[in-house]
Amino acid sequence: SAVISQKPSRDICQRGTSLTIQCQVDSQVTMMFWYRQQPGQSLTLIATANQGSEATYESGFVIDKFPISRPNLTFSTLTVSNMSPEDSSIYLCSARTSGYIQETQYFGPGTRLLVL
Amino acid sequence: GEDVEQSLFLSVREGDSSVINCTYTDSSSTYLYWYKQEPGAGLQLLTYIFSNMDMKQDQRLTVLLNKKDKHLSLRIADTQTGDSAIYFCAERNGYALNFGKGTSLLVTP
Repeated sequence: SAVISQKPSRDICQRGTSLTIQCQVDSQVTMMFWYRQQPGQSLTLIATANQGSEATYESGFVIDKFPISRPNLTFSTLTVSNMSPEDSSIYLCSARTSGYIQETQYFGPGTRLLVL
Repeated sequence: GEDVEQSLFLSVREGDSSVINCTYTDSSSTYLYWYKQEPGAGLQLLTYIFSNMDMKQDQRLTVLLNKKDKHLSLRIADTQTGDSAIYFCAERNGYALNFGKGTSLLVTP
């Protein structure tokens, strides 16, 4: 299994500012992802965080708005840039572990962001 | 992307069994997952099933997979009030997980 922690757990930010969310996994994992969960909605994949290279973004998400870093196998950051109230959401880090006969995907506790 | 469908709401009495259903559309899905989200919390992995399996049991949880109908279900035996939460079904589609909208389970005394 993998235990994922995120910082901060929540924040209230002013529009136009940026927030960087940190994600730490307690073991080396094969893949790391960032998801967004808007109020009352399901999860939407923002991007796959690639170690040592640029993240792979899903349709509708761009690097200038959501820059992502993954310097090693256990750590990643997501920045929400130039925030607007529409960015108010829960941002979740996720990690996939692969074993010999199985793989599983875990989620962090989320970062609850409110943009005023 | 492909749609994962779930009913939005389910109410059961404490002690009864709960069955949460999910349909998916991508026949190439390799893994299917069930996650639980309690109010104000992140997603807790409950269980998962590999696509070459029909059933998986883990204590009070039973997952049934019907690949022909692309139907997945989660049965919770002896449902308790602590099981009240939102349950998400997700399919592994390539490298990403594709989630349903979640089923809110309410367990009444």
